[in-house]
Formats: sequence, structure tokens, C-alpha cells
Amino acid sequence: EEQLVESGGGLVQPGGSLRLSCAASGFTFTSHWMAWVRQAPGKGLEWVANVGQDGTKKNYADFVNGRLTISRDNARNSVYLQIYSLRPEDTAVYFCARDKIVGPSQYHLWGQGTLVTVSS
Amino acid sequence: DIQMTQSPSSLSASVGDRITITCRASQNIDKYLNWYQQKPGKAPKFLIYDTSNLQSGVPSRFSGSGSETHFTLTIDNLAPEDFATYYCQQSLTAPLTFGGGTKVEIK
Repeated sequence: EEQLVESGGGLVQPGGSLRLSCAASGFTFTSHWMAWVRQAPGKGLEWVANVGQDGTKKNYADFVNGRLTISRDNARNSVYLQIYSLRPEDTAVYFCARDKIVGPSQYHLWGQGTLVTVSS
Repeated sequence: DIQMTQSPSSLSASVGDRITITCRASQNIDKYLNWYQQKPGKAPKFLIYDTSNLQSGVPSRFSGSGSETHFTLTIDNLAPEDFATYYCQQSLTAPLTFGGGTKVEIK
């Protein structure tokens, strides 16, 4: 069964940092770009970043402004999102999604999400 | 960046109704438009890609159309399980922006 499982969320103080993980299984991880999408409580979906198959190509949303870094470890079938200098507005459920092999992005497979709460 | 604007932000409908959701792009995105469905507390579900192509397993009552900057998602004969929030997403270029969502509620 194809599956994505996120972990690493929790309650963090403003200014802190966090690394989210997404473990993939049931498909050829190295064939796909991977992405992170977030959703603040009661709000819409917000695309965060994606990373290419070998980890060298990366794209970020404008709001990232150097505070978030996407990476992957193909040996572990995992993708990561490192978030620095956390702000209350980073409070959201962070979803991992399987992205394209080639061509335009299509998010067929999603994880269940991991909640990040930024509060003192 | 390409901005995506959905309308309406919410609508009320009855089982059996036909509904249409509009998504507008701030610039020409050709056919590169995806649609997703999301239910409360769940991850989004992929419905349609490249404007009008249904993902495998998606009921045929769902359809998409449009081009360049104006796109629509239509649901014919609305079923109880269709009450959810729908999002469009442009897939032309990063950042891969989503629309603000349309919540479809039971009248």
C-alpha cells in the first residue's frame, strides 16, 4: 500500500525550530518529486515547497524567506522540512505529498498531516 | 507568483443539485489546473488534473473545464459524500499556488 506518514509536529515556542519528517512506503520514492503543503486552523491549503528526485532541485513559496528548508534522504525514503525562527503564523497542519515524476505537479498521495503549534 | 482566486467561497446546495465552482488565475496557466476535495480533519483528495482529466476512481458526475485564466469545476447530481471543501491549484510553475477554497454545504 502506498503511504506517507508525517511526524515531528508539536508545541514549540516562538523563535524555536522544528524538523518535520515524512516517511514514504509502497512506491518507488526516488522516482518522485516530493512536496510539503500546510493548512492553518480553519484556513485553506498553502503550498510550501517541493524537492526533486535527487534532492538538488528545490522550490519554495515566497513566504518561506529562508526560514524553511526542504530536503530528502533517498536511502531512508524520507523527506524533511526544517523550520527555523518559528512564528505563531506558522501554526498549521503540515502535509507531505507525493509530487510528479515528470511534467506538471499532481498530488495524488498525501499523508495524514502533522500539527505544529507555535505558542508561548 | 500566480494568484488563484476561487468563487464563491461557500455555497449551499441540496442532494441532486448541479453546482459550479470557478477558479481564476492571475495569468495564463494554459491547461495546468488541478482540483482537490477535502473533508474536515482529512488530507485533500486529488480529483482532476490538466483542467478536465478525472483521476482514476473519481465519479463521472465531476467535470472540469476552462483554459488560460478561467476554470470551472462542476458537480452534477450532488451526492451526500460531495459536501466538502474544494481547492484549485495551478501546476504551471512554482510556487504551485492554491485557490482559497470553496466550501459546499448542505442546504
